[in-house]
Amino acid sequence: DQQVKQNSPSLSVQEGRISILNCDYTNSMFDYFLWYKKYPAEGPTFLISISSIKDKNEDGRFTVFLNKSAKHLSLHIVPSQPGDSAVYFCAASARTDKLIFGTGTRLQVFP
Amino acid sequence: DAGVTQSPTHLIKTRGQQVTLRCSPKSGHDTVSWYQQALGQGPQFIFQYYEEEERQRGNFPDRFSGHQFPNYSSELNVNALLLGDSALYLCASRLGPTIDTQYFGPGTRLTVL
Repeated sequence: DQQVKQNSPSLSVQEGRISILNCDYTNSMFDYFLWYKKYPAEGPTFLISISSIKDKNEDGRFTVFLNKSAKHLSLHIVPSQPGDSAVYFCAASARTDKLIFGTGTRLQVFP
Repeated sequence: DAGVTQSPTHLIKTRGQQVTLRCSPKSGHDTVSWYQQALGQGPQFIFQYYEEEERQRGNFPDRFSGHQFPNYSSELNVNALLLGDSALYLCASRLGPTIDTQYFGPGTRLTVL
């Protein structure tokens, strides 16, 4: 039972353009959502989060949008840079530290 | 600050054997969580330790056990290894109530033959 789904295994975007990574969830008890970035041979690094009481959170080039009725969240990266090339994981929690991760989306930003 | 460190980096074991993985949390962090990341999957929560006690546990069998020491470092033990236990094992540590402050280590790659 995959409670958090990232249906796009990979995404390729030109440098300077917008990258949009999507995530869907099924458990309505989830109230906190996070995005992590992972480079090869490194652990995931926290990027940005959003509480279920909000529908948008921004941090520099990164914006996360949450649509609770659709149980959908997205991460926007504008403008995309080559250094953003990594695997991005969406994760969710229900008032605990037990994070449920998606399977990840590999983003490649090309010049 | 060295961040979260894990040892060993890689490990090869045979089915039925036992393995111990080690984690040193980021300086000052008192809460340690362990995750299993199988190939092509996202990390799966195994358990969390705080004040030397297991506080939360994911859907993993009793073959998976752990320990936290007074200096907050932690061990993950897996008994009776199965081929399906082959994965990257990630340790994460944090200090404080918000999970945003959680830092992950680089992981231990376990291969079971």
